[in-house]
This record gives sequence, C-alpha cells and structure tokens, in this order.
Amino acid sequence: DADVTQTPRNRITKTGKRIMLECSQTKGHDRMYWYRQDPGLGLRLIYYSFDVKDINKGEISDGYSVSRQAQAKFSLSLESAIPNQTALYFCATSDLAPTSLDSSSYNEQFFGPGTRLTVL
Amino acid sequence: RKEVEQDPGPFNVPEGATVAFNCTYSNSASQSFFWYRQDCRKEPKLLMSVYSSGNEDGRFTAQLNRASQYISLLIRDSKLSDSATYLCVVWVGTASKLTFGTGTRLQVTL
Repeated sequence: DADVTQTPRNRITKTGKRIMLECSQTKGHDRMYWYRQDPGLGLRLIYYSFDVKDINKGEISDGYSVSRQAQAKFSLSLESAIPNQTALYFCATSDLAPTSLDSSSYNEQFFGPGTRLTVL
Repeated sequence: RKEVEQDPGPFNVPEGATVAFNCTYSNSASQSFFWYRQDCRKEPKLLMSVYSSGNEDGRFTAQLNRASQYISLLIRDSKLSDSATYLCVVWVGTASKLTFGTGTRLQVTL
C-alpha cells in the first residue's frame, strides 16, 4: 500500500461548489503539506502543518482552508471553487526538519499521487 | 524573476546520449539543493541531493556553484526510462521553504 494517499484522484466540479481533498499517510511523519501544480508555474505551497496543532499559510493560501484531523490526516478545502483553482494538487509529508544546516540532513518530502481537480 | 529557473525543454536525445540540465536560483539564503524527477501525471520523487563538492549516483552527476547560484544535472548513457520531467528544487531552511522550478522535460528516443 502507498505511504501517502490522496482522495479523490480526479474530480470535476462546478464554480461555487465546496470541495474537500483528503490526504492520509502511514509514514508516521509529523509534517504535512499541500501543493498545487500548474503548467509553467511549478509546484506552489498552499498550506503546511508541522503537527496537529500547527497550521501555516503557504504562498498561495487565498481561497483555501485546511484541517489537520490527526497526525496522519490533512485535508484541503475549497469553500467556493473557481475555475482558476483547476490544477493538480499534491499532498506531501516529511519528518521533523533537521536542526543542522547541513544539506545532507534535509528531510525528504514524500508526495502523494495527486488529485486532478477541474472547476467548470 | 522566478526564484528557481529552468529551461522547460523538451530535450529530445537518443538512447546512450549524455544530456545536461541547468538551473539558477535567486535566493542567496538557499541552503540545500535537489533534483526531483516527475513522470507524466505522477508525483515528484527525490532523485538526488546536490552538494558543492559535486556528487554522483550511477549515471547521474549533480553540481552546485554557490557563487553563480547555479545547479546542474548530467545524465550519461541515457535510457528510455529516463524520460521524465526533472525539477530543480531549493530549500531555504530558515524559512522552512522548499521552492520548485517548473521542470525540464527529457524525452529519450530509440
């Protein structure tokens, strides 16, 4: 079974609808992230959570909200979907950040398979 | 200016060829550097870290030039299975921020 799972994998919805994307992980990591990927723009961070009680905005959080229900679960919501939120959404996890600045101690982020969202 | 810039390609090369990708980053506070691989419509996966001294993993060699804020990836003896998009990724530890380039697409052909 995959360590990081996302549901749904594909979703088509209409403008104004509320959508929730879910992410679950079995890696036991504390840190979880939501990214979106658009052609020509690369992956951009929406929200991240360092533990269940810690939620932080990323660079493009407007129009999104998140919930960290448990260490293993991190959900992304679009309260009122709009067409420019059409994108590929990835959840990622990582272990605690290194205390050293040594690049070799960076903790890898592991990505889920992605959710392709289309807002009509 | 984008924080991490890459040539989008595509780079079309025959099997067995050597191909090199470059990447520049703008944040001088960047501390760690990586190449991720992303197959079509799949999730990114870490290919290798990049160190100032240069590092090699089989057919893959990565180099970092901090003075020029430049990162490279060299793939020798290209295989069909190397066809993918290669993402240059930069970590600013003090900001706990991972910044992705838009990727360079590689297509290896027979």
